[in-house]
Amino acid sequence: DVKVTQSSRYLVKRTGEKVFLECVQDMDHENMFWYRQDPGLGLRLIYFSYDVKMKEKGDIPEGYSVSREKKERFSLILESASTNQTSMYLCASSPPSTGELFFGEGSRLTVL
Amino acid sequence: GQQLNQSPQSMFIQEGEDVSMNCTSSSIFNTWLWYKQEPGEGPVLLIALYKAGELTSNGRLTAQFGITRKDSFLNISASIPSDVGIYFCAGRGGGGSEKLVFGKGTKLTVNP
Repeated sequence: DVKVTQSSRYLVKRTGEKVFLECVQDMDHENMFWYRQDPGLGLRLIYFSYDVKMKEKGDIPEGYSVSREKKERFSLILESASTNQTSMYLCASSPPSTGELFFGEGSRLTVL
Repeated sequence: GQQLNQSPQSMFIQEGEDVSMNCTSSSIFNTWLWYKQEPGEGPVLLIALYKAGELTSNGRLTAQFGITRKDSFLNISASIPSDVGIYFCAGRGGGGSEKLVFGKGTKLTVNP
C-alpha cells in the first residue's frame, strides 16, 4: 500500500521554538509538497520540491524553510515558531506531470 | 494569482439524494482533479481529468472537465452516510508547472 507518512500527528510548541515537520514517502515520487490548511482558506502551498536538493517557493513561504536531502524525505522547518503558524500541515507527493497528489494524514501544530 | 471558485461552500442532504458541486476559474487549466478529505485525514484523490470535455466516473461519482477548460463539476449519485467530508477541486496549469491550485472546498453532510 502506497504511503506518505508524517512524523507527528499533533505537536504543541512555544513561540520562538524551532520546529521540524518530517515527511517520508515510499512511492519513489519526484515531487513533494508542503501545504497548510486553515478553516475557510483551503489548502495553501508553502514549498514544493521536484528533485533532491531542489525546492521552489509556493504561495506562502514566509516564516518557513524546507530540506530535501533524500528523494523519499521532505522536511518543513519553522525557524522561530509564531502563534499565527498554528495550523494543520499536510505533506504530499506525486509523480511528475500528473497533479495526482498522495497526502499524509497531517500534522496539527499548536504554537502557544 | 490563479484562483478557483468552488461552490457551494456546504451542503446538507438526505441519504439517497444526488449531489452536485462545481469549480470555476478565470484561468485555463490542463488538468482538473477532485479530492475528498474525511475528518482527521489527508485528502484522497477521487478523479483526475486530463482532456477538455472528458467525463469520467468512479463508482457513484462522475466528474467532467469543462469544454472551456475553465470549469469542472463533480456529481455524487444516491448519497450514503460515508460520503460525508470536504470535497476539493484542484486545477493544474500548463507550462510544466507541478503546482496545483485548490478550491476552498465543499463540506458535505449526509443525514441518514
